[in-house]
Amino acid sequence: NAGVTQTPKFQVLKTGQSMTLQCAQDMNHEYMSWYRQDPGMGLRLIHYSVGAGITDQGEVPNGYNVSRSTTEDFPLRLLSAAPSQTSVYFCASSPPLAGGKYEQYFGPGTRLTVT
Amino acid sequence: RKEVEQDPGPFNVPEGATVAFNCTYSNSASQSFFWYRQDCRKEPKLLMSVYSSGNEDGRFTAQLNRASQYISLLIRDSKLSDSATYLCVVRRSNSGYALNFGKGTSLLVTP
Repeated sequence: NAGVTQTPKFQVLKTGQSMTLQCAQDMNHEYMSWYRQDPGMGLRLIHYSVGAGITDQGEVPNGYNVSRSTTEDFPLRLLSAAPSQTSVYFCASSPPLAGGKYEQYFGPGTRLTVT
Repeated sequence: RKEVEQDPGPFNVPEGATVAFNCTYSNSASQSFFWYRQDCRKEPKLLMSVYSSGNEDGRFTAQLNRASQYISLLIRDSKLSDSATYLCVVRRSNSGYALNFGKGTSLLVTP
């Protein structure tokens, strides 16, 4: 199993450009989420999905869109990039909660710089 | 007030030392607790879950105090490879799968 994969690993955008960060998992997990990690801020939840066709906003959703057409894929779209969106973006997935055991599996991250 | 708070460190300790990290959480409805480890420029990975009775995994011991809303991680006999950032993570009972992360505590183990 590849686990959670993300592309690209690095990206530089100009202000106002749009792009899609790709995330895929091959573990048949229903739950997927996107976080951003900024120095001194910790990981913050952007959007999440509890299954195909179902998405919801997290703590910092503004400027981002998501969709979930399949169980495997959960792309994150930046509509009009701003310098404040310079960050490291992590995608994560997790299996159903079971007996108190719960783990999120993270992808390797996408390092985005907006100039 | 941030929901999960940790001392950012850094903690610099010699090999073989015992080091303890603490974490407090503000929401009493929090239900599940974890420690994740994050190496420099890498993704977070689950180190261990934290149970009410406390739990141990080799050199690592985690404790939970629900009354004080406090979580701890103890690392015994520190190894150079333990150098990383340790993230305290909490899941509220009404948040489904969403996790709240502390900012992390940085540990550097030196020879």
